[in-house]
Amino acid sequence: SQQGEEDPQALSIQEGENATMNCSYKTSINNLQWYRQNSGRGLVHLILIRSNEREKHSGRLRVTLDTSKKSSSLLITASRAADTASYFCATELSGSRLTFGEGTQLTVNP
Amino acid sequence: EAEVAQSPRYKITEKSQAVAFWCDPISGHATLYWYRQILGQGPELLVQFQDESVVDDSQLPKDRFSAERLKGVDSTLKIQPAELGDSAMYLCASSYQGGVAEAFFGQGTRLTVV
Repeated sequence: SQQGEEDPQALSIQEGENATMNCSYKTSINNLQWYRQNSGRGLVHLILIRSNEREKHSGRLRVTLDTSKKSSSLLITASRAADTASYFCATELSGSRLTFGEGTQLTVNP
Repeated sequence: EAEVAQSPRYKITEKSQAVAFWCDPISGHATLYWYRQILGQGPELLVQFQDESVVDDSQLPKDRFSAERLKGVDSTLKIQPAELGDSAMYLCASSYQGGVAEAFFGQGTRLTVV
């Protein structure tokens, strides 16, 4: 069973625009992580935000976490064609189980 | 840079045959995960090891799937017998400290059951 749900399922934008993806989850978490997956490859960790944090930045990435709404968002600024990939949120439940959502497919058009 | 190694990268097997996947995590990582990913979906956790012990295998179809990590290092996932619905990407990941730290993924094994 999947803990997180990403929204939208698919997003298509032009190079240079910002991309925002959302993740909602069901139960209390210790942390939330975002991963990227290029077609047919393994997942790559992007950023981890702990339950006591509200916002975190890494380069062109900005992640927010609202534990009262059980939701998180990933913002990619000034997108590039190389950002085209699937993006997944993952939540860490008790016992350190890492559970992924269904993902958002981002397409950045040159 | 340390990587999670998986083999084979691709595997085609006939229905009812046995198939095995191998994973070598990053050295020093106590936590090892096996995920199954169907095309267009998110990874589904099959089994999680802490050292050599299974800490979560609630989603593992135990009638046909088995996993082991005998010395707490590399791991093998086996399917016997394979079914058509097992066609998927099988991903291995490791982490220094369970879900509180980032997980590093291998490139996966693409399984096709014919």
